[in-house]
Amino acid sequence: DVKVTQSSRYLVKRTGEKVFLECVQDMDHENMFWYRQDPGLGLRLIYFSYDVKMKEKGDIPEGYSVSREKKERFSLILESASTNQTSMYLCASSLWGSYNEQFFGPGTRLTVL
Amino acid sequence: GENVEQHPSTLSVQEGDSAVIKCTYSDSASNYFPWYKQELGKGPQLIIDIRSNVGEKKDQRIAVTLNKTAKHFSLHITETQPEDSAVYFCASLGGSNYKLTFGKGTLLTVNP
Repeated sequence: DVKVTQSSRYLVKRTGEKVFLECVQDMDHENMFWYRQDPGLGLRLIYFSYDVKMKEKGDIPEGYSVSREKKERFSLILESASTNQTSMYLCASSLWGSYNEQFFGPGTRLTVL
Repeated sequence: GENVEQHPSTLSVQEGDSAVIKCTYSDSASNYFPWYKQELGKGPQLIIDIRSNVGEKKDQRIAVTLNKTAKHFSLHITETQPEDSAVYFCASLGGSNYKLTFGKGTLLTVNP
């Protein structure tokens, strides 16, 4: 079974802190994604990566950056956390190509105080 | 960019009844339409998908229909069971690769 793990289920940070969210997948998938999920807004793509060191902006990249140094790991970075970044963050991975199932991790609930 | 509208936002049915969730999309180049189910405390999971060269696809109690002319697609769940209770998301793969655009989700509650 594909497994996508996220470093924390719950995280509480203070405004202005630098925050790292880590995601690891164990199925040698080329594509990895970061989404945020907010009530009434569904899932919105922040960034995705189709290869090591490659990244593409999604629909809401402002305030975020990403890092993919190894194929299995995709990190989301909040350079200076703000209260409007309080949200559920979901990581996903898929095989290379557009039509492949995305496998999601359980999510990280981030609260910025 | 692609815009996906999903209705209804909440749906409550009695066990054994059918449930239908509808989505419309804006990009006529969209050609792949998956549906994801998210149970409480978990990430979304693919339950069925359809490509634009197919009008309908069925997998046991769930089916998806696609009308490319009208740019809408629907999820049908028959003989609903309490374990079908979850949030369901439709999605569309528009003209740009990799980027799925998701609907806002439907909270389905199946009452025993």
